[in-house]
Amino acid sequence: DTAVSQTPKYLVTQMGNDKSIKCEQNLGHDTMYWYKQDSKKFLKIMFSYNNKELIINETVPNRFSPKSPDKAHLNLHINSLELGDSAVYFCASSQEWASGSLHTDTQYFGPGTRLTVL
Amino acid sequence: QKEVEQDPGPLSVPEGAIVSLNCTYSNSAFQYFMWYRQYSRKGPELLMYTYSSGNKEDGRFTAQVDKSSKYISLFIRDSQPSDSATYLCAIGGGADGLTFGKGTHLIIQP
Repeated sequence: DTAVSQTPKYLVTQMGNDKSIKCEQNLGHDTMYWYKQDSKKFLKIMFSYNNKELIINETVPNRFSPKSPDKAHLNLHINSLELGDSAVYFCASSQEWASGSLHTDTQYFGPGTRLTVL
Repeated sequence: QKEVEQDPGPLSVPEGAIVSLNCTYSNSAFQYFMWYRQYSRKGPELLMYTYSSGNKEDGRFTAQVDKSSKYISLFIRDSQPSDSATYLCAIGGGADGLTFGKGTHLIIQP
């Protein structure tokens, strides 16, 4: 069984479009994350979320928004896509969340979604 | 100075060699130290996790943490071609959760 899954695996779209990437975890974890991995393989956190708190990396444009219909899902919506948004986006989850700060618990990653903006 | 520094490589070694991968960090608040392995076009997978200074061994892999020097290492013994991947250190306990190094691209030559 896949622990953290993402769809789609590949996404090719035109500049200016709005798109979503879905993420689901079946580990029963409380916390989910979105990361962006750029062309130089640098993995950078975008969002951390549990049912109590959303933490946004201040460098993330507000065109990006996470949406969580339930504890097992954290989807990523991107509006008005730009060329620079092309990257691989990884979803991850971890079990715990410490009040007031990010608890560094083991994170399990999804397979990634390769987004190409033309 | 970036919080976590890691040489991107590539690091190429012959099969059977001992591999040493390293990261340095600047924030003494970091308490948790992890190594992830990422194969091409795949998500990172956790290899080792430790929160104390010293060594932790798991099969052919040994993670070493020196908090006084703010230096962590991953050693791979008897390296195999299947170990060829990018290895990312991840360090946490600071205000921003996990901070990843850029990753070292490792190539094991048969």
